[in-house]
Amino acid sequence: KQEVTQIPAALSVPEGENLVLNCSFTDSAIYNLQWFRQDPGKGLTSLLLIQSSQREQTSGRLNASLDKSSGRSTLYIAASQPGDSATYLCASQGGSEKLVFGKGTKLTVNP
Amino acid sequence: DGGITQSPKYLFRKEGQNVTLSCEQNLNHDAMYWYRQDPGQGLRLIYYSQIVNDFQKGDIAEGYSVSREKKESFPLTVTSAQKNPTAFYLCASSIVPGNQPQHFGDGTRLSIL
Repeated sequence: KQEVTQIPAALSVPEGENLVLNCSFTDSAIYNLQWFRQDPGKGLTSLLLIQSSQREQTSGRLNASLDKSSGRSTLYIAASQPGDSATYLCASQGGSEKLVFGKGTKLTVNP
Repeated sequence: DGGITQSPKYLFRKEGQNVTLSCEQNLNHDAMYWYRQDPGQGLRLIYYSQIVNDFQKGDIAEGYSVSREKKESFPLTVTSAQKNPTAFYLCASSIVPGNQPQHFGDGTRLSIL
């Protein structure tokens, strides 16, 4: 059974800092790995989706990487801003088509 | 704009009562999903539907029921058999089942009176 872990559970950084969020998964037989952002009391917004054949995806200040062999994905946020404060969730998708979510990393960017 | 609409935003349930959460999408997506989110926990799949008039149980289906009579609608009923229904419920959809990003609604928060 796939298990997805995100460390740390919470992270606080000063504005302008570059940061990395980590996601690990136990079963490397995945179709894709997706990163989401969740604001308090809101739904999830898809940030980046990395197909199993890809190594990374980029969108603006965000870069997500995938290493299936080691069961790891990272989300890199460059030049962080207070507006980046949110909870970031990763989810893997395998053959069952179901997403398996981590518990998230709560990010606070301090002005 | 296309998107997923969940209603109501807040819902209160009395003991022994069934309540229904609404989820409507105008994205013309085939697949729809219901998740439950508890504080400090990841999302857990309740039910999903890949096509009209068909749906499958997810990991925590007990105490819940769904229907998919129309492509754009996937209502979730929380029955009295669900003994711990207090949670944040999220509906999602994807273009086709499988290797595509899922789009989420803004959720319904259910509480017990």
